[in-house]
Amino acid sequence: DVKVTQSSRYLVKRTGEKVFLECVQDMDHENMFWYRQDPGLGLRLIYFSYDVKMKEKGDIPEGYSVSREKKERFSLILESASTNQTSMYLCASSMNTGELFFGEGSRLTVL
Amino acid sequence: AQSVAQPEDQVNVAEGNPLTVKCTYSVSGNPYLFWYVQYPNRGLQFLLKYITGDNLVKGSYGFEAEFNKSQTSFHLKKPSALVSDSALYFCAVRDILGNTPLVFGKGTRLSVIA
Repeated sequence: DVKVTQSSRYLVKRTGEKVFLECVQDMDHENMFWYRQDPGLGLRLIYFSYDVKMKEKGDIPEGYSVSREKKERFSLILESASTNQTSMYLCASSMNTGELFFGEGSRLTVL
Repeated sequence: AQSVAQPEDQVNVAEGNPLTVKCTYSVSGNPYLFWYVQYPNRGLQFLLKYITGDNLVKGSYGFEAEFNKSQTSFHLKKPSALVSDSALYFCAVRDILGNTPLVFGKGTRLSVIA
């Protein structure tokens, strides 16, 4: 069964902390994505990657960075967390033309 | 630019009745269209997709969707709703050309009442 695993389901961090959200997929997919989900706003794309060591900005990259050192792993980094980054973060992967496979999500609260 | 509109934030339907969740889209070329479902505190699950071919697409859990090119719509339907269908539904689109990421609608919350 295909699987996208997000390392933390729930996190609570303080303003200014550095936060790492990890995502691993076991499907040998080329493409990986980070979205954030907020009520009334749907899913908004933060960053995506079509290959190892490659990254592209999505619609809302400010305050975030990413790392893709290996094909199966795509990490989202909040360099200095702020309260407006409290959200549900969703990682997904796909082949080039296929549907996205999502992880279970990481709910981050920044105090 | 690609965009998706889900005009209803909430849809309420009685169990056993047919349901429709609406979606319209905009792409510059031809679309790939998707529906996803999200249950509480879970990630999104794929329901169905339209890429080419028959305009009526059948998917998981008895759902289907009809692609209408002239109306740029891709409404999700089910002939008989179940209480367990209550969830958040997302429509998504991308252009066939290129490899741009999916663009999602804001989601429609479906409540099926027993």
